[in-house]
Amino acid sequence: GENVEQHPSTLSVQEGDSAVIKCTYSDSASNYFPWYKQELGKRPQLIIDIRSNVGEKKDQRIAVTLNKTAKHFSLHITETQPEDSAVYFCAASKLSKLTFGTGTRLQVTL
Amino acid sequence: ETGVTQTPRHLVMGMTNKKSLKCEQHLGHNAMYWYKQSAKKPLELMFVYSLEERVENNSVPSRFSPECPNSSHLFLHLHTLQPEDSALYLCASSQDVGKETQYFGPGTRLTVL
Repeated sequence: GENVEQHPSTLSVQEGDSAVIKCTYSDSASNYFPWYKQELGKRPQLIIDIRSNVGEKKDQRIAVTLNKTAKHFSLHITETQPEDSAVYFCAASKLSKLTFGTGTRLQVTL
Repeated sequence: ETGVTQTPRHLVMGMTNKKSLKCEQHLGHNAMYWYKQSAKKPLELMFVYSLEERVENNSVPSRFSPECPNSSHLFLHLHTLQPEDSALYLCASSQDVGKETQYFGPGTRLTVL
């Protein structure tokens, strides 16, 4: 089955800096890669996603890149703000099944 | 925020108890999912339902029994659980199985004593 690895497990950046979270996946048939943000005590919420026919996608301060050959994808957050502090999960999907990474706890400090 | 709701939000039960978790989605979706979220582990898919039919059972112990009476409601019946089953149980829904954007409920925080 699919295996998703996510790094780093924790990330601390200063407000205004950029943050990058990386994930790798094992199943080349996976074709959809969402990123979820989970604030403390709240539900995971989709923040951006990318499909396998696209290499990069951007939404304001958030961007995701996908390298299908290397089977890795990354989340980039620019101009980080305190409200970006949360746990971020990557996932890889084939058909109905989402396999999640272990999460990255992002802390944005003032 | 109210598209997918779950009750109860918190549950404490003994190992011999029987309880049920409830999930309801108001999004008109056809697919519903149960996930388990434990500390320091990735979200684990437990069950997938499409139009009230179970399409995936991810090697979940039989002490967890799902039920999907219609496309808007999903239950997880619990009996003779173990302390290691303590976790956050999240329900999610999507338009269809294969329409991968999933929307999560707030979860039920389960503690098994």
